[in-house]
Amino acid sequence: KAGVTQTPRYLIKTRGQQVTLSCSPISGHRSVSWYQQTPGQGLQFLFEYFSETQRNKGNFPGRFSGRQFSNSRSEMNVSTLELGDSALYLCASSLEGRSVQPQHFGDGTRLSIL
Amino acid sequence: GQQLNQSPQSMFIQEGEDVSMNCTSSSIFNTWLWYKQDPGEGPVLLIALYKAGELTSNGRLTAQFGITRKDSFLNISASIPSDVGIYFCAGYLDQETSGSRLTFGEGTQLTVNP
Repeated sequence: KAGVTQTPRYLIKTRGQQVTLSCSPISGHRSVSWYQQTPGQGLQFLFEYFSETQRNKGNFPGRFSGRQFSNSRSEMNVSTLELGDSALYLCASSLEGRSVQPQHFGDGTRLSIL
Repeated sequence: GQQLNQSPQSMFIQEGEDVSMNCTSSSIFNTWLWYKQDPGEGPVLLIALYKAGELTSNGRLTAQFGITRKDSFLNISASIPSDVGIYFCAGYLDQETSGSRLTFGEGTQLTVNP
């Protein structure tokens, strides 16, 4: 079956702009988590959505937000972009976000801020 | 910050050699996952471990969930060139109320010389 799909694969933005990233989970998966991957900080958890509600949140500023739709697809938004937001943004899905259910990742969106 | 210590950071081996890497933490985990990430792609799940002491194999890969629930190791036997990549351990902290926030190790960069 199809895996996690993230669009777009690459984005170039300038400081101060805002950006929206999209994630379609594996069919039947209702939990979607977002992670930021950078060389310095590694993989850091942003937030998780389940049944259209944010259920868990990492330590990122309010400029990072997201939402989930009734079909479990999720979007992540970053406003007032900063140079330090350059990263690979990964989306992962699991059935219900329980600890006995592993997360499966998409190939990410590479965001570059100029 | 990072709560998983993964070692070694990098390994350079000859094709055919066995490889071992591990992750340790001062916190208790109730699930351990091992992922491999190739350049330009997202992490791919290799092995999932759910019980202390559990030993699981996936082809040439073997992983174990430590008895103390604070560590895990991954072994790769008879390495081949396509094993090249970054290997990450990850887990769900025992105190997490849901299985949606993965904590990641820093990764082990594996290079296999033919």
